[in-house]
Amino acid sequence: DTGVSQDPRHKITKRGQNVTFRCDPISEHNRLYWYRQTLGQGPEFLTYFQNEAQLEKSRLLSDRFSAERPKGSFSTLEIQRTEQGDSAMYLCASSAPGQGINTEAFFGQGTRLTVV
Amino acid sequence: QQQVKQSPQSLIVQKGGIPIINCAYENTAFDYFPWYQQFPGKGPALLIAIRPDVSEKKEGRFTISFNKSAKQFSLHIMDSQPGDSATYFCAASTDGNQFYFGTGTSLTVIP
Repeated sequence: DTGVSQDPRHKITKRGQNVTFRCDPISEHNRLYWYRQTLGQGPEFLTYFQNEAQLEKSRLLSDRFSAERPKGSFSTLEIQRTEQGDSAMYLCASSAPGQGINTEAFFGQGTRLTVV
Repeated sequence: QQQVKQSPQSLIVQKGGIPIINCAYENTAFDYFPWYQQFPGKGPALLIAIRPDVSEKKEGRFTISFNKSAKQFSLHIMDSQPGDSATYFCAASTDGNQFYFGTGTSLTVIP
């Protein structure tokens, strides 16, 4: 499978616990995005990386959220001290701008987080 | 503030009909406009995308119409099938930076 891979697919955690999600982008895609999607809404931008550099962060990304892409390949998104409002689908996408006519961004299947 | 406004929220058509989903934007710096299809529990899948230098793009049964002066674009699904029943999102970005998504349209195609 050469698509964007996310792990785990589902995570149930107790309020106050820390969780970490992993995203493996399409090989050679230098741009990686994190989005959050709640039921009935479109994806909301959280942050994105160009290689290992984090270029932009949304105001949605509070200080409890941190994302890394240490070697410019896979990325992790950590949420500390989870709250019930963090329950959502966390989506990762990757793209390779400048390597084609279009700047296609391809999404993974997402990690469904439920905070109880 | 919603950067991309999408309508309608939901749409029901008969098989073979042509559902049309509309999006509008304000930021003239946007230069890439993709449409995504999403099934329940799955991630969004890229359907088709357009840049503002063309007014129409077709891929299979999917067509994007783009009106740069009106800052609007729409998705048409020709000969719709029950398998097209899904939620559709329009989006916009500048240079492939963050993508701004619409609120989605839930499409139901009745057999």
